[in-house]
Amino acid sequence: EVHLVESGGGLVQPGGSLRLSCAASGFTFSTYWMNWVRQAPGKGLEWVANIKYDGSDKNYVDSVKGRFTISRDNAKNSVYLQMNSLRAEDTAVYYCARDFRPDYWGQGTLVTVSS
Amino acid sequence: QTVVTQEPSFSVSPGGTLTLTCGLSSGSVSTTNYPSWYQQTPGQPPRTLIYSTSRRSFGVPDRFSGSILGNKAALTITGAQTDDESHYYCVLYDGGIWVFGGGTKLTVL
Repeated sequence: EVHLVESGGGLVQPGGSLRLSCAASGFTFSTYWMNWVRQAPGKGLEWVANIKYDGSDKNYVDSVKGRFTISRDNAKNSVYLQMNSLRAEDTAVYYCARDFRPDYWGQGTLVTVSS
Repeated sequence: QTVVTQEPSFSVSPGGTLTLTCGLSSGSVSTTNYPSWYQQTPGQPPRTLIYSTSRRSFGVPDRFSGSILGNKAALTITGAQTDDESHYYCVLYDGGIWVFGGGTKLTVL
């Protein structure tokens, strides 16, 4: 059974940093693209970034370019999102989702950017 | 900047059939935009219904179907049930990134 578990969320001040992790199990992690998708409170879904199965291709939504970095460790079946220079508008539940066309989703981790 | 458009809200009676649409600001939606559809209830992660235009995700009943209608992607629900009352999101691949629509709140009453 596919299982995705996000962690690392929390309260951070504007301008601060946070690193999210997503631990995957139940499938051959090293053969799948992975995504991060976020959802601000009471709002819709926003795709944030994805990474190719071997880490050779990474893509980002314009609003996070230069601030967020997606990475993965196939030996640890994990994908990460390093978030720097955080802003209030980055406040959201962050989901990791499997595959180029997101299919399986984790439960999400809440990131709150506030002073 | 790509904008993906969905109906903000939709209402249907139990047992009815409805079609939600997903449009692209830059032009027509095609299969190369790999339209996908998700259902989300409050407090839960999205559930994948349809991917690559018309392929049903594992365990999704055949009451849900996806297609291209005219210049938009479409999600059709036949025999609507009260459990279908949710938010529905589409996503399209455009210019190397994925863009979600704003979502449709479906009411079944």
